[in-house]
Amino acid sequence: GNSVTQMEGPVTLSEEAFLTINCTYTATGYPSLFWYVQYPGEGLQLLLKATKADDKGSNKGFEATYRKETTSFHLEKGSVQVSDSAVYFCALMTWPGNTPLVFGKGTRLSVIA
Amino acid sequence: DTAVSQTPKYLVTQMGNDKSIKCEQNLGHDTMYWYKQDSKKFLKIMFSYNNKELIINETVPNRFSPKSPDKAHLNLHINSLELGDSAVYFCASSPGPERTSYNEQFFGPGTRLTVL
Repeated sequence: GNSVTQMEGPVTLSEEAFLTINCTYTATGYPSLFWYVQYPGEGLQLLLKATKADDKGSNKGFEATYRKETTSFHLEKGSVQVSDSAVYFCALMTWPGNTPLVFGKGTRLSVIA
Repeated sequence: DTAVSQTPKYLVTQMGNDKSIKCEQNLGHDTMYWYKQDSKKFLKIMFSYNNKELIINETVPNRFSPKSPDKAHLNLHINSLELGDSAVYFCASSPGPERTSYNEQFFGPGTRLTVL
């Protein structure tokens, strides 16, 4: 079956530090890959996505590259801010386009000033 | 305008009660979902409907019964609530299977259910 594995949290960083959250996946076929973010007390928001190998998704300074050879989609940001404190979820979806998302367990990020 | 809305935002109730959570989307999407987020933040699909028809029903107790009166609404009714049902329930929608090669899912704000 399909699955997503994320690095365990929590992750605590100082402001302006470099962030990497690892994500690897197992899927049949060629999944689309997503990072969702959940700010405290809020719902899920799509942060970025990639639909095919070597695609790079980017948004708000975050980036992730779809690596088929390593089945990975690691999230990176060069300089985190306090406002980036949230829970980050890696997820995948396979064809057809309305199959449910399969989520990783989430990684809590805390950024301190 | 809110794209995917859920009511109520918070729901506190006693064990054994029956409760409903409502979801509405104004995006014109064909597919709607219910996900459950447990206390450890783990998210898992419960149900999926496409154009009012049930297409996915994960191993969820039959105390949970989704209903889709039209493709813009997907409600979740829970009978005989148990302590373990305490969680955050998220509704989501996406365009449907034929629109594009993948479809972004839009999530509602969640309903935090607490069973005492």
